[in-house]
Amino acid sequence: DTGVSQDPRHKITKRGQNVTFRCDPISEHNRLYWYRQTLGQGPEFLTYFQNEAQLEKSRLLSDRFSAERPKGSFSTLEIQRTEQGDSAMYLCASSLGQGAYNEQFFGPGTRLTVL
Amino acid sequence: AQSVTQLGSHVSVSEGALVLLRCNYSSSVPPYLFWYVQYPNQGLQLLLKYTTGATLVKGINGFEAEFKKSETSFHLTKPSAHMSDAAEYFCAVILQPGSARQLTFGSGTQLTVLP
Repeated sequence: DTGVSQDPRHKITKRGQNVTFRCDPISEHNRLYWYRQTLGQGPEFLTYFQNEAQLEKSRLLSDRFSAERPKGSFSTLEIQRTEQGDSAMYLCASSLGQGAYNEQFFGPGTRLTVL
Repeated sequence: AQSVTQLGSHVSVSEGALVLLRCNYSSSVPPYLFWYVQYPNQGLQLLLKYTTGATLVKGINGFEAEFKKSETSFHLTKPSAHMSDAAEYFCAVILQPGSARQLTFGSGTQLTVLP
């Protein structure tokens, strides 16, 4: 068990470009979350997967954002036509959901800078 | 509506002094409550949590927090600060244990420990 990993750790892109981030959860964790953290703020929920099904999306997740978890293991988050306001830390978390609460383990995040 | 409020975006204490980080939540039903710590360039790490049972919960690194329903508070304390405690601390809640059980975070408190 090596924890939640995210790739890349840093991404610098120009406005209008597309970017894709990857998250590898702890193996056998069926729940996967994406959060966004802007400077000086706490993380904000973006979306949630249970196995391969995307069950919930925040209103923060505009049409330019899409997330997948095709085989119920790793997940990708794609941002199309990036804007400067997309600059943030994107955090992934996973948990083994079998009850009312299960601890979410966070990855180190991907820091996106849109120029 | 702000669900989690952390009073004081920056707190400074001397090494060996009491650490008190404040957190209040707004919810009509008792939520699940958490404190996370974030070190620079690292992911969020769970310090402690309250779900049910004893209202005084102990966590890692000597931290503890008390759930006070009448005050809708979950303040984090440590009797004696150590230099290694310098980090950003986030209070978080799961407002209603629904299907996603996503975390709602406060805006964070940066703790500085002075020698």
